[in-house]
This record gives sequence, C-alpha cells and structure tokens, in this order.
Amino acid sequence: QVQLVQSGAEVKKPGASVKVSCKGSGYTFSSYDISWVRQAPGQGLEWMGWISAYNGNTNYAQKFQGRVTMTTDTSTNTAYMELGSLRSDDTAVYYCARDSFPYGSGNYPFGYWGLGTLVTVSS
Amino acid sequence: EIVLTQSPGTLSLSLGERATLSCRASQSVSSSYLAWYQQKPGQAPRLLIHGASSRATGIPDRFSGSGSGTDFTLTISRLEPEDFAVYYCQQYGGSPPGYTFGQGTKLEIK
Repeated sequence: QVQLVQSGAEVKKPGASVKVSCKGSGYTFSSYDISWVRQAPGQGLEWMGWISAYNGNTNYAQKFQGRVTMTTDTSTNTAYMELGSLRSDDTAVYYCARDSFPYGSGNYPFGYWGLGTLVTVSS
Repeated sequence: EIVLTQSPGTLSLSLGERATLSCRASQSVSSSYLAWYQQKPGQAPRLLIHGASSRATGIPDRFSGSGSGTDFTLTISRLEPEDFAVYYCQQYGGSPPGYTFGQGTKLEIK
C-alpha cells in the first residue's frame, strides 16, 4: 500500500532553516509528483509547491519563491522540503502529498498524504 | 491566481440530513479541475472528489460533486456521524500548473 512517512517534529528559532523529509513506499517513487502543503494552527490548507520525482522539475507558489527548496532522492525514495528565513508565522504542520496519477506536473489532485510534520518557530 | 471562496463557513446539520457545500472560483476552472477533500481533527486531508464530479476510490456514494466553470457543489445526501469534519475545495492545473485551496467549510452536528 502507498505510504508517505514524514520526519519528526522540529523546533527552530526565527531566521533559521528547516528541512522536512517524506519517504514514499508501495509505489514507483519516480513516477509521481510530490507537493508540500502546510496548515497553521486552526487555519486552512496552503499549497507551497510541487516537485517531479521523475525529472526534478519544480513549481513553487509565488509566496514561497526564494525561501523554499524542494528536492528528491530517488535512490532512497525520499522527497525533501527546506524552508529558510523562518518566522513565527511559519509555525504549522507541513504535509507532503502525492498526486493521484503519474506524471501529473500539477494537473492531478492529491490521492495520498503523509501524516504531517509540526514545525514550531519560536525564540 | 484563482481564488476559491467556500460557503458557508460553518454548516450545522443533524444526522440523516442533506448537506450542500459551495465553492466559487474567481475565474473559470479549466477542464473542471476541481477537487474536494475532507479533514478530521488531527488527521491529514482525504480526497473525496476529483474532476468536479468523480468520486475517489473507496468514497461512499452519498458524496457527490457537481458544477463547472466558476460554481461547484459538494453534496452529502444523508449525513452519517463520521461525516462531520472540515471540507476544502481545491483547484488544480492551470497555467502554469499549480494548486489553490478554498478556506474550508466546517460541517458540525446540530
């Protein structure tokens, strides 16, 4: 069965960076895009960007351009999201999500989600 | 960028009633690339509907989606206890391809 296993909770100081991982299993990792979505406490869902695990192409939401980097390692079937220059309003649960169908390039909804990684930014 | 506006913000209904949730887009959603998700407290979202009206695998047939262009609806025909949750609509595709979520509708027990 498809699983996305995310790394554990993080506590960071303002101005620092955080790198969250998402390990996929139960499917051909390189055939599916991975998106990252965050949810601040008590708030809605916010899409941050996607990466093609096939060719590494990325598309970042304008809000996060210059501050986020998404990568994949097909040798370990793991996707990564690094967010820099952290602020207190970056405190959120960060989810990775896989497209419903292969080679989507942003054209398919998210059929599978990780359980989320809580990132807390506090001095 | 397409903005999705969901209404109502909160919907209070009883078990067995019919729920109608609305999602309005600021511009036409191409090819009906509109999805609905359900999220329960402490859980990740779950895909319910894609392509505006196609149920995802394993989703009960009491959930249905409809609409096109800028107006979309999620209907739950007879509310079960497990249906009380927050529902989000999502637009995908576009040029360049990306994603936008609505702000959510909370469905609560009356």
